[in-house]
Amino acid sequence: DAKTTQPTSMDCAEGRAANLPCNHSTISGNEYVYWYRQIHSQGPQYIIHGLKNNETNEMASLIITEDRKSSTLILPHATLRDTAVYYCIVRTISGNTPLVFGKGTRLSVIA
Amino acid sequence: GAGVSQSPSNKVTEKGKDVELRCDPISGHTALYWYRQSLGQGLEFLIYFQGNSAPDKSGLPSDRFSAERTGGSVSTLTIQRTQQEDSAVYLCASSLVPRGDTQYFGPGTRLTVL
Repeated sequence: DAKTTQPTSMDCAEGRAANLPCNHSTISGNEYVYWYRQIHSQGPQYIIHGLKNNETNEMASLIITEDRKSSTLILPHATLRDTAVYYCIVRTISGNTPLVFGKGTRLSVIA
Repeated sequence: GAGVSQSPSNKVTEKGKDVELRCDPISGHTALYWYRQSLGQGLEFLIYFQGNSAPDKSGLPSDRFSAERTGGSVSTLTIQRTQQEDSAVYLCASSLVPRGDTQYFGPGTRLTVL
């Protein structure tokens, strides 16, 4: 079972920041938070991951709370092409573990 | 560089036939994973390869499903005597090293069993 809880759906206006929350209250000290997204009819696309520090790359920023029980993925300037299902996944760094996908958040970017 | 590729992109077959799905991982990636996504469902793990061996086959739904990997590269997922419930998108992912490394996904093969 997925160890994360995400809202089922969210809307965001084009050009605005999209903030996608994720709760992972049972996360362990050796587990990373990963974010993937799946655009319709495509394979999942890696976005970003982090352990406890905030992370930023060319696609997004990841903000992890100090207690690590929740995180927020930020798309700074959402475009219509960012419409997708976004998955927050908790994954151990020490094992050869598959990704366990929950239902994710369906983000709709609206013009 | 080239990403993970899968073939065919679409496969329609009749119930009871065998099918083979192919995955070409990113060059140099030692770990390879198969997942499937049924209509309206989430992604479920099927099998994991480290090199040519499969230390985790726990997700294979029945003995009709098998997979192999040769030369530490290409993998083939075989489904024998297909059933309608096998209809799904089959996704392959690879990672540079097995331990906790980022997995990169292919576009998937959409299998339809009539």
